[in-house]
Amino acid sequence: AQSVTQPDIHITVSEGASLELRCNYSYGATPYLFWYVQSPGQGLQLLLKYFSGDTLVQGIKGFEAEFKRSQSSFNLRKPSVHWSDAAEYFCGLVAGGTSYGKLTFGQGTILTVHP
Amino acid sequence: DAGITQSPRHKVTETGTPVTLRCHQTENHRYMYWYRQDPGHGLRLIHYSYGVKDTDKGEVSDGYSVSRSKTEDFLLTLESATSSQTSVYFCAISGQNYGYTFGSGTRLTVV
Repeated sequence: AQSVTQPDIHITVSEGASLELRCNYSYGATPYLFWYVQSPGQGLQLLLKYFSGDTLVQGIKGFEAEFKRSQSSFNLRKPSVHWSDAAEYFCGLVAGGTSYGKLTFGQGTILTVHP
Repeated sequence: DAGITQSPRHKVTETGTPVTLRCHQTENHRYMYWYRQDPGHGLRLIHYSYGVKDTDKGEVSDGYSVSRSKTEDFLLTLESATSSQTSVYFCAISGQNYGYTFGSGTRLTVV
């Protein structure tokens, strides 16, 4: 069975600082990996996704993520955080090659941005 | 998102009563999902559907049933609501290349 772990429940950064949110997964074959963001009271918005190819993936809002198979990780990064980035972030995994595409999420990381 | 709507947006119900949540899509996607979101647990899959009348259980399906009689509608029913089912419920659809779209959510409170 697949699983996703986000080790950090809550992260606080200052505006303008760099950001890295961690995501580790457990799956025996090739995963499809996603990062979503959720603002308070809102639904989920896709930031980026990785299926294959270049392991560094660019997303919206200046975010990027790097797939590292050897570490079973898919960490999300942003070089300079803006106050509007404060939200909850979810890493997700779909078992590659399956028909039904069930998306499994991590527990989420809440990002607070200080001015 | 314009292609997927959930109703109602908020509901308060009493323990032991049946509750049905509706997810409606206009994208003609084959796959539809129901998730619940609880603090510290992220989103967990309740049930999913891979076509009309084709549904299956997710990881937290106890106490829930679903139905899909039309491509565009996916209903989630709590047969007898309990306080442990107080949560925010999200519907999602997916099309080609695992392009998931989530609804705005239904906040359900069971008192």
